[in-house]
Amino acid sequence: GAVVSQHPSWVICKSGTSVKIECRSLDFQATTMFWYRQFPKQSLMLMATSNEGSKATYEQGVEKDKFLINHASLTLSTLTVTSAHPEDSSFYICSARTTNYRGRNTDTQYFGPGTRLTVL
Amino acid sequence: KQEVTQIPAALSVPEGENLVLNCSFTDSAIYNLQWFRQDPGKGLTSLLLIQSSQREQTSGRLNASLDKSSGRSTLYIAASQPGDSATYLCAVQYTGTASKLTFGTGTRLQVTL
Repeated sequence: GAVVSQHPSWVICKSGTSVKIECRSLDFQATTMFWYRQFPKQSLMLMATSNEGSKATYEQGVEKDKFLINHASLTLSTLTVTSAHPEDSSFYICSARTTNYRGRNTDTQYFGPGTRLTVL
Repeated sequence: KQEVTQIPAALSVPEGENLVLNCSFTDSAIYNLQWFRQDPGKGLTSLLLIQSSQREQTSGRLNASLDKSSGRSTLYIAASQPGDSATYLCAVQYTGTASKLTFGTGTRLQVTL
């Protein structure tokens, strides 16, 4: 199946610093990428939707100035957590959407393995 | 508000049992529904996807059904194995939401020897 990678897989940082998380679709071009956040023992909550070359659309309650999203190419989106605080500690998961995978018409999201962020 | 609920929140069964996980959604205008598996600290593995026009999908020991009129989907796991232990999430893509997925609350499954 389609492969989506995230880097880093885990990161520990000090409060007040910024952290960048990358999401890459390795064998397909993603028209849209999504960023989710998951707190322990909770479900995934959509943070934002990003389309290549345009500004991300943030869900209600998500601070766009704190969670900067850049979608510079059809295979790469980045999420930067600015001035991170302990309450930002969470598991961040991206997904990449494609409507055509290996010649097959489909509208499917493929998920990355997640990034564990711990802010001290 | 479009909500997705899963019952039970946690389930423990002995190996070999057949089991059913439930997913309920509040809005019947869905495009598709997907079941995922998540191992602790890991990402998501897609198990089954049911389009709104379909009633069920099967893959190996897994069978997922969809009843839009009642706002329900079930995931049936036959002959459970310890390796099936994980959290199972259902996710709904509602019509007209530009491929956004709304995830359920999840069911944590433990299959014991």
